[in-house]
Amino acid sequence: EADIYQTPRYLVIGTGKKITLECSQTMGHDKMYWYQQDPGMELHLIHYSYGVNSTEKGDLSSESTVSRIRTEHFPLTLESARPSHTSQYLCASSRGLEKLFFGSGTQLSVL
Amino acid sequence: DAKTTQPPSMDCAEGRAANLPCNHSTISGNEYVYWYRQIHSQGPQYIIHGLKNNETNEMASLIITEDRKSSTLILPHATLRDTAVYYCIVRVFSGNTPLVFGKGTRLSVIA
Repeated sequence: EADIYQTPRYLVIGTGKKITLECSQTMGHDKMYWYQQDPGMELHLIHYSYGVNSTEKGDLSSESTVSRIRTEHFPLTLESARPSHTSQYLCASSRGLEKLFFGSGTQLSVL
Repeated sequence: DAKTTQPPSMDCAEGRAANLPCNHSTISGNEYVYWYRQIHSQGPQYIIHGLKNNETNEMASLIITEDRKSSTLILPHATLRDTAVYYCIVRVFSGNTPLVFGKGTRLSVIA
């Protein structure tokens, strides 16, 4: 069973607020990812990390930022939330690059 | 990574085998075929992968044609809980880039 946790599960917040979506895994995986998905649409990779102090931007341009100070933790931050950021955010981790384990996701609504 | 083509949707009667096709005519010799599925509002779940031999695990079977230009994921006895979007992904094993998910096939299992 995968041990990857995302909090909060749901978040409703006003425009302009700073938010941090948390993602933690207890599997010791070096590789972690953030994907963004709108309802009924494809998953888009927005950030990934192959190890501590290593982060890369994904295929979809995003105004969010990430950090990887500890192996098990990969938080995503939006400095100033806007309605266009309303989406589901999915965190994943893996040992190799093929078998990803996903968290339950955070559904973000910005009013 | 080679491009894949999947039908946008399929139906399957409960208890029958679900056969999900995937075309990957430009696949190269060192690229594997991976299958994931995403049940509504959850993160994707790894199902199976293979290079050229047929593969089977507790979830499904993967049949790859001899020329490797197409494959079929088989759920032998589909249940209502198998209703999900199924993604076929082709990529080099242990390549340098994260997985990219396409549109997939929306499988509806009908009672």
